Amino acid sequence: AQSVTQPDIHITVSEGASLELRCNYSYGATPYLFWYVQSPGQGLQLLLKYFSGDTLVQGIKGFEAEFKRSQSSFNLRKPSVHWSDAAEYFCAVVGYNNNDMRFGAGTRLTVKP
Amino acid sequence: DTGVSQDPRHKITKRGQNVTFRCDPISEHNRLYWYRQTLGQGPEFLTYFQNEAQLEKSRLLSDRFSAERPKGSFSTLEIQRTEQGDSAMYLCASSLVKSGLAEYNEQFFGPGTRLTVL
Repeated sequence: AQSVTQPDIHITVSEGASLELRCNYSYGATPYLFWYVQSPGQGLQLLLKYFSGDTLVQGIKGFEAEFKRSQSSFNLRKPSVHWSDAAEYFCAVVGYNNNDMRFGAGTRLTVKP
Repeated sequence: DTGVSQDPRHKITKRGQNVTFRCDPISEHNRLYWYRQTLGQGPEFLTYFQNEAQLEKSRLLSDRFSAERPKGSFSTLEIQRTEQGDSAMYLCASSLVKSGLAEYNEQFFGPGTRLTVL
């Protein structure tokens, strides 16, 4: 069964610094991969998704992620973090024609002024 | 497009009581999903509907959990005889699946219902 691991429970970065959040997945075939962001009291918002094609995908709010099949990874990056990026970030995987979306445990991002 | 809405946003109940949550999906969306999110964890898939048909319910946590979508629009999730372990955020999501398309359709999430069982 598919699964997702986010190794970092909590990350703190300074405003303006670069960010990388790690995500590793386990799935037998090519998965569909997602990054969501959740602010306190809010629902999940999709940042970006990967289905196929170019392994570097661009998302909203200046985020990007790179799919690396050899490493079973889908890490999220942002070159310059803003204070408003402080939130919980979730990586998720789902198989083709499979509605059982699996989420990682999340990484909480704190942004220092 | 008003997004996915959920009601209530917060529910406090005593152990043993029944609770029911409502989800209103984006109006043209034909699929509706329920998830549970406990503290410090990502959402956990529970069940989903295609229109009014419940196509997957094996992931519901126990027989105390049930969901309906009687007219293919809004959905309800009921928990009977609540236990303290049921305390969590219950999330609803919806998507538009077009037959014949291979691509996965994005799920849009509501703000959730936070349940506290005392």
